[in-house]
Amino acid sequence: DGGITQSPKYLFRKEGQNVTLSCEQNLNHDAMYWYRQDPGQGLRLIYYSQIVNDFQKGDIAEGYSVSREKKESFPLTVTSAQKNPTAFYLCAIAPGGANSPLHFGNGTRLTVT
Amino acid sequence: AQSVTQPDIHITVSEGASLELRCNYSYGATPYLFWYVQSPGQGLQLLLKYFSGDTLVQGIKGFEAEFKRSQSSFNLRKPSVHWSDAAEYFCAVVAYNFNKFYFGSGTKLNVKP
Repeated sequence: DGGITQSPKYLFRKEGQNVTLSCEQNLNHDAMYWYRQDPGQGLRLIYYSQIVNDFQKGDIAEGYSVSREKKESFPLTVTSAQKNPTAFYLCAIAPGGANSPLHFGNGTRLTVT
Repeated sequence: AQSVTQPDIHITVSEGASLELRCNYSYGATPYLFWYVQSPGQGLQLLLKYFSGDTLVQGIKGFEAEFKRSQSSFNLRKPSVHWSDAAEYFCAVVAYNFNKFYFGSGTKLNVKP
């Protein structure tokens, strides 16, 4: 949406498998974020990256991993260590830099059975 | 620690009626505050933001919000609700270092014909 693309829209995996969610942006912004959304819990920050080759843990990083090898890409891997992986995952960027509102992708709904 | 509270999980209003969604925040300094809207299965769209200055801010789709420092509130209002406003609404505050946004748990708005 508007320069930030998440794929796929829906993802299904068996328990015990790792799965990688894609987030790509073509707006040349430095800061990228991953959030997890569960019903009634709002959005919780998983990881964020302010610059290529650097990222920080958010509030719920356990069971997740990320990489930031390219400015335009910030993939999220949900590992088998994540106890409750089924959720809606949102990627965001901050187009205006510091203080600016987040701009979100359309999300990926992951279902693990 | 920063936090955002949206006390109403669900709200139902009749089409054409006025709307007020409540948001209270906990933050040690002057906050940067936002309201987002989310349609089912979609990402979040920014409705409006408050950084400083006039405490009544106007947003898109006819929404406005008022910042009241004394009450630590940032309530969202709309004079006349349309059926297309049915969605989930999130209030958010950004921390001083601009890296972490804190979201409320959301308010689902239903609009009766």
